[in-house]
Amino acid sequence: EAGVTQFPSHSVIEKGQTVTLRCDPISGHDNLYWYRRVMGKEIKFLLHFVKESKQDESGMPNNRFLAERTGGTYSTLKVQPAELEDSGVYFCASSPTGTGSGANVLTFGAGSRLTVL
Amino acid sequence: DQQVKQNSPSLSVQEGRISILNCDYTNSMFDYFLWYKKYPAEGPTFLISISSIKDKNEDGRFTVFLNKSAKHLSLHIVPSQPGDSAVYFCAASYYKLSFGAGTTVTVRA
Repeated sequence: EAGVTQFPSHSVIEKGQTVTLRCDPISGHDNLYWYRRVMGKEIKFLLHFVKESKQDESGMPNNRFLAERTGGTYSTLKVQPAELEDSGVYFCASSPTGTGSGANVLTFGAGSRLTVL
Repeated sequence: DQQVKQNSPSLSVQEGRISILNCDYTNSMFDYFLWYKKYPAEGPTFLISISSIKDKNEDGRFTVFLNKSAKHLSLHIVPSQPGDSAVYFCAASYYKLSFGAGTTVTVRA
């Protein structure tokens, strides 16, 4: 079974530019999450999709961040325009549908490291 | 507002000895607790979990203890092996997962 795939693995851009990160979840997983980790800090929740719908976007920092999940499959996270403080590792995770213990275990991708200069 | 805290950023332990990682949380609504392990350039991978209705869960060399009254959980690894060297994240769930900042474990030969 293929895992969660993220692209690119590393992106270096200048302040004010735009970057789009992509996540392909495990096939059949309805839940898709975006998290971010700034160097040495906690892994912070950004948002949660159930299929194509945004279930919870309370962690999105501001309106420079836009997440989409086309047709309930892959997801993109766009940062426009990027600021220095947006640097960090962006993780995508997915989980199966339903409640209970199984649904609480997220499978993470390797992350996309974003460096804003 | 960080609801899950790992106050020890690093831990060094000799191979074969016990590693004890600690985690505190503030939200009494959390109903499920997990530990994830992360190697460099990889995503976190699930290690072990415990429901809030239990106080201990064991899986091979890994045991997680939960003290709800103290809002504290710990992960015991015994015996520690070189392959256990990684960053360990504590996480707690109430509709979504909240993570701590991680503890870097180094197992010395």
